Amino acid sequence: SQQGEEDPQALSIQEGENATMNCSYKTSINNLQWYRQNSGRGLVHLILIRSNEREKHSGRLRVTLDTSKKSSSLLITASRAADTASYFCATDRNTGGFKTIFGAGTRLFVKA
Amino acid sequence: GAVVSQHPSWVICKSGTSVKIECRSLDFQATTMFWYRQFPKQSLMLMATSNEGSKATYEQGVEKDKFLINHASLTLSTLTVTSAHPEDSSFYICSATANRGAIYSNQPQHFGDGTRLSIL
Repeated sequence: SQQGEEDPQALSIQEGENATMNCSYKTSINNLQWYRQNSGRGLVHLILIRSNEREKHSGRLRVTLDTSKKSSSLLITASRAADTASYFCATDRNTGGFKTIFGAGTRLFVKA
Repeated sequence: GAVVSQHPSWVICKSGTSVKIECRSLDFQATTMFWYRQFPKQSLMLMATSNEGSKATYEQGVEKDKFLINHASLTLSTLTVTSAHPEDSSFYICSATANRGAIYSNQPQHFGDGTRLSIL
């Protein structure tokens, strides 16, 4: 099963509103990352939060991590139409070598 | 910095053709590259991890002879889909890190823009 699972699967909001996406995972992690993917393009790394961190900010992005609940959230404040994209959380798994496991993603649509 | 170029962006070809996809790190040395496959509206599925100068490590269920990976230099990895069939049609994405994946956990990856492969 997937290490990371996001909810909601899809989110539609008005420009200016905040968007919150959640990610849950199953096993212990060293860190968790969030990525963004525009339609038909590769992924862009947004932010990395380590397992000993609880909150991290980057511009309009705010990421929280709750290791006791094995969950993370990504908040985009004052959303813009250009924020329309899919957002994925990614966690690590050590199976004789670290690899990154991506969640199913949240498709965000910001209406102008 | 940390730009990854993937080529070609689109491929349409007949069944039975072999297709090569290139992934280049333009401004850094990529000791580890990853190849993913993505179906519409789904997540990325890791196919293989490629460390420069060594054989690629394939994920369970991925045929090594079907998806040939070569990572002969610190800036180039290639994925060749051999004798492609319609079921191989998908979006293939590469990514690269400057650190060896076997040592460091979950380093930020730098992605190419993907290759959309359509087999007729």
